[in-house]
Amino acid sequence: EAQVTQNPRYLITVTGKKLTVTCSQNMNHEYMSWYRQDPGLGLRQIYYSMNVEVTDKGDVPEGYKVSRKEKRNFPLILESPSPNQTSLYFCASSLDALAGTTYGYTFGSGTRLTVV
Amino acid sequence: GQSLEQPSEVTAVEGAIVQINCTYQTSGFYGLSWYQQHDGGAPTFLSYNALDGLEETGRFSSFLSRSDSYGYLLLQELQMKDSASYFCAVSSSGGSYIPTFGRGTSLIVHP
Repeated sequence: EAQVTQNPRYLITVTGKKLTVTCSQNMNHEYMSWYRQDPGLGLRQIYYSMNVEVTDKGDVPEGYKVSRKEKRNFPLILESPSPNQTSLYFCASSLDALAGTTYGYTFGSGTRLTVV
Repeated sequence: GQSLEQPSEVTAVEGAIVQINCTYQTSGFYGLSWYQQHDGGAPTFLSYNALDGLEETGRFSSFLSRSDSYGYLLLQELQMKDSASYFCAVSSSGGSYIPTFGRGTSLIVHP
């Protein structure tokens, strides 16, 4: 089944403890992206990747890192999480950015992160 | 940059028709798309408009007017399961075609 898999689904952590949220897709997609969703603010892009080893900042990149060493994986790294990073996170992918615009992005099921 | 405006909430009754509006500001407009998201779930793609006019997909239709920088999503024969959040997203050539999402409209369908 074609899908985007995020792990974990839920995570409670403490301030300053490094964490990684994994994202994997099995559709050979070139484009992958991370979003955070907060009440009343919609989906805001954190980072995106056009292809392996090609990443760029989105609208809210502060406090996050990403890497794209393999086509299928696009992990989101919080080196020193803070409470303002408590949010619902989504990974998304598409064949490429243009195809995603036209035919839609495939989103993962989300990771609900709480930083205390 | 890009910006979008959509109502925060819309309510309607089962069986009715509802329209969710979206106005946008961008340069190098490429297209307007719509996503549905049930509470806390993954957003799912509904439709895409690049040219003026109406695109119909079953009970859902999406309209675009490029000259007015305006679009809407039309939901007909509303069902309870249509209660969800709906996001419009605008893409532009200047933004590498990566969409910017609106803040979402919560649709509440009453029996």
